[in-house]
Amino acid sequence: DTAVSQTPKYLVTQMGNDKSIKCEQNLGHDTMYWYKQDSKKFLKIMFSYNNKELIINETVPNRFSPKSPDKAHLNLHINSLELGDSAVYFCASSQGLSQGYEQYFGPGTRLTVT
Amino acid sequence: QKEVEQDPGPLSVPEGAIVSLNCTYSNSAFQYFMWYRQYSRKGPELLMYTYSSGNKEDGRFTAQVDKSSKYISLFIRDSQPSDSATYLCAMSDLAVDKIIFGKGTRLHILP
Repeated sequence: DTAVSQTPKYLVTQMGNDKSIKCEQNLGHDTMYWYKQDSKKFLKIMFSYNNKELIINETVPNRFSPKSPDKAHLNLHINSLELGDSAVYFCASSQGLSQGYEQYFGPGTRLTVT
Repeated sequence: QKEVEQDPGPLSVPEGAIVSLNCTYSNSAFQYFMWYRQYSRKGPELLMYTYSSGNKEDGRFTAQVDKSSKYISLFIRDSQPSDSATYLCAMSDLAVDKIIFGKGTRLHILP
């Protein structure tokens, strides 16, 4: 029973397309995050949500739009995809904002933009 | 200067050896210090966290924080091939709303 799941696992698409990645957690956590891990394995936070409210938007281009329909879900929509968007995107969750040191990560979505 | 510096490796050691992984940081506001382990093509998983300075032990793993030197370490005793992974140090201030990760050290334990 997966704690944090993401779909799809792999995404290959062309420049200019729009795509979405979905994330669900069944841990009952209040806080969810999106991270980007580039080709050099550097993991950087993009967004965090607490109880469906946006907390952090880490200077991400506005082509990226997160949406949290409920506490258990945090989706990421990307418009007008660019080559530089190729990376692995991880969703994570924590019990609450104050427990942000203990985050549970999903398996990642490997996005390739051609 | 980057907020968190970590040698990317790779680091190769024989099975049974003691492994030492380290990170330095520049932000004196950091209070939480974490070590995450990431296997190839998987998401990171939390190994240990420490609040403020001191040591913490969990089985074969020991985390140390020296805030005066802005230096943290993870020691793995009796290393096993299953410990082969990338180890990411991570830190945050008291608010814990944003974790800053190091670039990770790739570790290979040779059987």
